[in-house]
Amino acid sequence: AQSVTQLDSQVPVFEEAPVELRCNYSSSVSVYLFWYVQYPNQGLQLLLKYLSGSTLVESINGFEAEFNKSQTSFHLRKPSVHISDTAEYFCAVSILSNTGKLIFGQGTTLQVKP
Amino acid sequence: NAGVTQTPKFRILKIGQSMTLQCAQDMNHNYMYWYRQDPGMGLKLIYYSVGAGITDKGEVPNGYNVSRSTTEDFPLRLELAAPSQTSVYFCASSHEGTGKGGELFFGEGSRLTVL
Repeated sequence: AQSVTQLDSQVPVFEEAPVELRCNYSSSVSVYLFWYVQYPNQGLQLLLKYLSGSTLVESINGFEAEFNKSQTSFHLRKPSVHISDTAEYFCAVSILSNTGKLIFGQGTTLQVKP
Repeated sequence: NAGVTQTPKFRILKIGQSMTLQCAQDMNHNYMYWYRQDPGMGLKLIYYSVGAGITDKGEVPNGYNVSRSTTEDFPLRLELAAPSQTSVYFCASSHEGTGKGGELFFGEGSRLTVL
């Protein structure tokens, strides 16, 4: 069975500072990896995903994540955060299949301070 | 576009009562999912469906039931509400399923309290 561990429950950071949200996964088979973001009182939205090819994937708002197969990690980074990035971030994994159950990590709350 | 619509947004139940959380999507997606979100626990999959007439259990199905009679609708039934079912429930849909790398589209959630 797959599992996802997000190593930090809360990450406080000042505006314009860099940030890294850590995610490790466990699976005996190949997986797809996702990061979702949840703004207050909203549903989740896809931020970015890794399916195959280049191990570095980017989102439209400046986040990037790197798939590291040897370390089974998919850490999320941003070189300079904004107040508007304050949200909860979820790492998730799905095995390659016709059904596909997405398994989420516990979530990391990013708090950007002015 | 409405996307994924969940009703009700808020509900308070007494222990032992029953209710149905409604979920409808207008994107003609085959795949639909129900998750519950509890603080510090992330999202746990309750049930999912890969098409009309087909449903399967997720990680935490006990105490819940689902049906999928149409592509658009995927209601979640709580038969005998218990305090442990106090949570925020999210419905989601996907065109190709996450097992093929597809994106999940989420509703805004239904906050349920069982007293």
